[in-house]
Parts: sequence; structure tokens; C-alpha cells
Amino acid sequence: DADVTQTPRNRITKTGKRIMLECSQTKGHDRMYWYRQDPGLGLRLIYYSFDVKDINKGEISDGYSVSRQAQAKFSLSLESAIPNQTALYFCATSFGVSSTDTQYFGPGTRLTVL
Amino acid sequence: TQLLEQSPQFLSIQEGENLTVYCNSSSVFSSLQWYRQEPGEGPVLLVTVVTGGEVKKLKRLTFQFGDARKDSSLHITAAQPGDTGLYLCAGPTSGSARQLTFGSGTQLTVLP
Repeated sequence: DADVTQTPRNRITKTGKRIMLECSQTKGHDRMYWYRQDPGLGLRLIYYSFDVKDINKGEISDGYSVSRQAQAKFSLSLESAIPNQTALYFCATSFGVSSTDTQYFGPGTRLTVL
Repeated sequence: TQLLEQSPQFLSIQEGENLTVYCNSSSVFSSLQWYRQEPGEGPVLLVTVVTGGEVKKLKRLTFQFGDARKDSSLHITAAQPGDTGLYLCAGPTSGSARQLTFGSGTQLTVLP
């Protein structure tokens, strides 16, 4: 089984709808991250969490919120989806806090907002 | 804003050819990482370089960190179709070592 799983893998929704993307990990890591990937822009950090009580905004947090329900679960919500939130979303985990630590990514969720 | 610029953006080559892709910045990085992302999957770490001038080899892949720690390169010898993927470089975000800044990537296609 995969260490970092994301659900759903694909989602099509309409403008204004509330969407939740879920991430679960079995690696036992405290650190979890949400990124979005757009063609030509690489990965951009939305939110990150270093433990259940520690939530931090990333580069592009506007329009998004997160919930860290447990060490193993980190959810990303779009309260009112808009078309420019159409993207590939990745969850990642890491063991340490150093920038040289490996980040382990899930398989991604492809979100389309019509 | 700290940027990592990767070039070329797209590269299509024949199996057996050699290639080099680049990751450049005007800023100094304490370390750089290279990830490879295959279609339908998340990025996977290939290597971390931390010392200026450092060279690391991973089978047919050779990674170099520039002496001034502002750039890095990835050289692939005798490319194979299995090397196809998006190659991303990443470094610690300025002012926040807890975050990574990613380049936009090089999409490599190796044709059989």
C-alpha cells in the first residue's frame, strides 16, 4: 500500500461549490504539506503543518483552508471553488524540519472547476 | 522573491543520447534537491546537494551543485525511455528554511 494517499484522485466541480481534498499517510511523519501544480509554474506551497496544533500558510493560501485532524490526516478545503483553482494538488510529508529532508508525495488529485 | 529557473522547459531526445538540464538562480541556496515526477504520480526525490562544487552520481545521472551555490545541473548519460518525466529542482525558501521553493521543471521525453 502507498505511504501517502490522496482522495479523490480526480474531481470535477462547479464554481461556488465547497470541495475537500483528503490526504492520509502511514509514514508516521509529523510534517505534512499541500501543494498545487500548474503547467509551467512548478509546485507552489499552499499550507503546511508541523504537527496537529501547528498550521502555517504557504505562498498561495488565499481561497484555501486546511484541517489537521490527526497526525496521519491533513485535509485541504476550497470553500467556494473558482475556475483558476483548476490544478493538480499534491500532499506531501516529511520526517524532519530541515530543507534537506526528503518530502514524500502522494499521487495527486486532479481538480477541475467549471 | 527567490526563483529557481529551469531550462530547457521541454526536451525530447532519442534513446542513447546524453543530455544536461539546468537549475539557476540569482540567489544563494544552502542546498538544492532534484525530484523526478512521472505521469500520474507525485515527485520522488533523486538527490540532495549541500556543498558548493559537490558532484553526486546516481547510476547514469550526475548532479552538480555550482561553486557559488546559485545553480545546479543534472546530466544523464545514455538516456533511456524510463528516464522520461518532469525533473524539478527545489531549494529552501528565503526566510523560511521550513519551506521549499520549486522550479518550474524540465519535461524530458526519451524516445525509443
